[in-house]
Amino acid sequence: KAGVTQTPRYLIKTRGQQVTLSCSPISGHRSVSWYQQTPGQGLQFLFEYFSETQRNKGNFPGRFSGRQFSNSRSEMNVSTLELGDSALYLCASSFGGLYNEQFFGPGTRLTVL
Amino acid sequence: ELKVEQNPLFLSMQEGKNYTIYCNYSTTSDRLYWYRQDPGKSLESLFVLLSNGAVKQEGRLMASLDTKARLSTLHITAAVHDLSATYFCAVDIKETSGSRLTFGEGTQLTVNP
Repeated sequence: KAGVTQTPRYLIKTRGQQVTLSCSPISGHRSVSWYQQTPGQGLQFLFEYFSETQRNKGNFPGRFSGRQFSNSRSEMNVSTLELGDSALYLCASSFGGLYNEQFFGPGTRLTVL
Repeated sequence: ELKVEQNPLFLSMQEGKNYTIYCNYSTTSDRLYWYRQDPGKSLESLFVLLSNGAVKQEGRLMASLDTKARLSTLHITAAVHDLSATYFCAVDIKETSGSRLTFGEGTQLTVNP
């Protein structure tokens, strides 16, 4: 069974630009969550999508947005990039159920110059 | 606001020794997760713990959960170099709909020959 895939793996952008990251969940998983990992703030929850609906949102500014498509693939977008947005962005998918185990993708390393 | 605290944050140990990583959380949790992260890599799921007194073991790692004390432990038995990594605990509290993980700061484990 293929794991969670994320594209691109690496991105370099400049301040003020916008970026779109993509995540394909494990087949059959309908929940997709996004996390930001930085050395200073650690792992922080961005948002969760289920059946094309945002179910939960973390404490990030409106510049961070996302969506989910009917095939459960998800994208997140960051507009007006700031230096502090440099991070590893991780996507996780889960089937739900009692354990709701979350499986993480390899991440997208975003560098903002 | 949910807080998850791990200790120690840094752990250097010799091969063959035993040690325990602690994870405290501040409010009632539905699920407690342990993840491993190698440098530059994504998160690998190790354990999901649901109920009070739950204990799970895989190889040299054993995780337990005490929901009354809001404490989980990850015990390492006879450490080997391959266990060197950063270990995260995370807590899942089911929101009105959906869920989100709140992570601890991580414990960076180095196993020396």
